[in-house]
Amino acid sequence: GNSVTQMEGPVTLSEEAFLTINCTYTATGYPSLFWYVQYPGEGLQLLLKATKADDKGSNKGFEATYRKETTSFHLEKGSVQVSDSAVYFCALSQVDSWGKFQFGAGTQVVVTP
Amino acid sequence: DTGVSQDPRHKITKRGQNVTFRCDPISEHNRLYWYRQTLGQGPEFLTYFQNEAQLEKSRLLSDRFSAERPKGSFSTLEIQRTEQGDSAMYLCASSSLGGRNYNEQFFGPGTRLTVL
Repeated sequence: GNSVTQMEGPVTLSEEAFLTINCTYTATGYPSLFWYVQYPGEGLQLLLKATKADDKGSNKGFEATYRKETTSFHLEKGSVQVSDSAVYFCALSQVDSWGKFQFGAGTQVVVTP
Repeated sequence: DTGVSQDPRHKITKRGQNVTFRCDPISEHNRLYWYRQTLGQGPEFLTYFQNEAQLEKSRLLSDRFSAERPKGSFSTLEIQRTEQGDSAMYLCASSSLGGRNYNEQFFGPGTRLTVL
């Protein structure tokens, strides 16, 4: 079956540091890949997505590239802010499974001033 | 319509009681999903509706759980004879079958259930 593995948190960074959150997946075929973010006390929000190999999703300074050869979709940001403190979830979905999501366990990111 | 809404936001109940949650999806979305999220974990799929038809149920959805989506609009998730292990955040999400954002899911704020 499908699965998503994320690096464990919490990840603690200073403001303006570089952030990487690793995500690898197992799936048959060609899933779509997503990063969702959950800010404290709020619901899940789509951060970015990629639907085919070598696509790069980007939003709010975050980027992730769909790497089929390494089955990865690592999230990166060049200079984090305190407001980026949140839990980040990597997820995949497939057309032949009603589009339902398989999520990773989430990675908490804490950015200190 | 600004997004997916869920009601109630919090529910505290005693073991053995029945509870019902409601989800109102984005109005033009014909796909609706329920997920369960426990502390420190990602959401886990429970069930899926396309319009009013329930097309898939996870093995996580025991016989005590039932979901409906009458008329293909709002959905309800009922848990009968609640157990302490049912304590979790229950999330609803919706998406459209077509269009530019067809494979994106929009999530509601969730209903946090605590079973005492």
